[in-house]
Amino acid sequence: DAGVIQSPRHEVTEMGQEVTLRCKPISGHNSLFWYRQTMMRGLELLIYFNNNVPIDDSGMPEDRFSAKMPNASFSTLKIQPSEPRDSAVYFCASSSLQGRNGNQPQHFGDGTRLSIL
Amino acid sequence: DQQVKQNSPSLSVQEGRISILNCDYTNSMFDYFLWYKKYPAEGPTFLISISSIKDKNEDGRFTVFLNKSAKHLSLHIVPSQPGDSAVYFCAASRGDRDDKIIFGKGTRLHILP
Repeated sequence: DAGVIQSPRHEVTEMGQEVTLRCKPISGHNSLFWYRQTMMRGLELLIYFNNNVPIDDSGMPEDRFSAKMPNASFSTLKIQPSEPRDSAVYFCASSSLQGRNGNQPQHFGDGTRLSIL
Repeated sequence: DQQVKQNSPSLSVQEGRISILNCDYTNSMFDYFLWYKKYPAEGPTFLISISSIKDKNEDGRFTVFLNKSAKHLSLHIVPSQPGDSAVYFCAASRGDRDDKIIFGKGTRLHILP
């Protein structure tokens, strides 16, 4: 079984540019999560979707960040314009249980390491 | 406001001995707790979990203990093996809410040969 697939694995770009991170969740999973990992703040939840609908975006840092899930097999996280402080590792995760994650842990992709110069 | 705290950024343990990783939480509404393990350049992987109705859950070499009154949980690994060297994240969630999980900042475990 393929796990959560993220692309690109690494992204280096100049500040002010638009950045798009992509995620393909595990087939059959109906919840999708975007996280950001930094040394200072650890692993932070940015936004999550249930059945392609955004449920909680309170972790999205600013209006420069946006996320979409046009269908059950694809999601994007976009940063426009990007800034050096956005440099971090961004993870996507998916799970199969809606409303109660107790017995269905989240499965993570290998992340996108983003560097904004 | 950090709801899940892992106060030890790193821990070194001799191979074959017991590794004990600790985690504290502040939100008494949390009722489900998880541990994830993360290797460099990979995403976190689920390790073990425990519901608040239990105080212990065991899976092979891994045991998680929950002390609700102290709002404290710990992960015991025994015996520790070189492949256990990784970053361990403690996480918590509320069953009456949604699928949201709050993660600690992680503890880097280094198993010494």
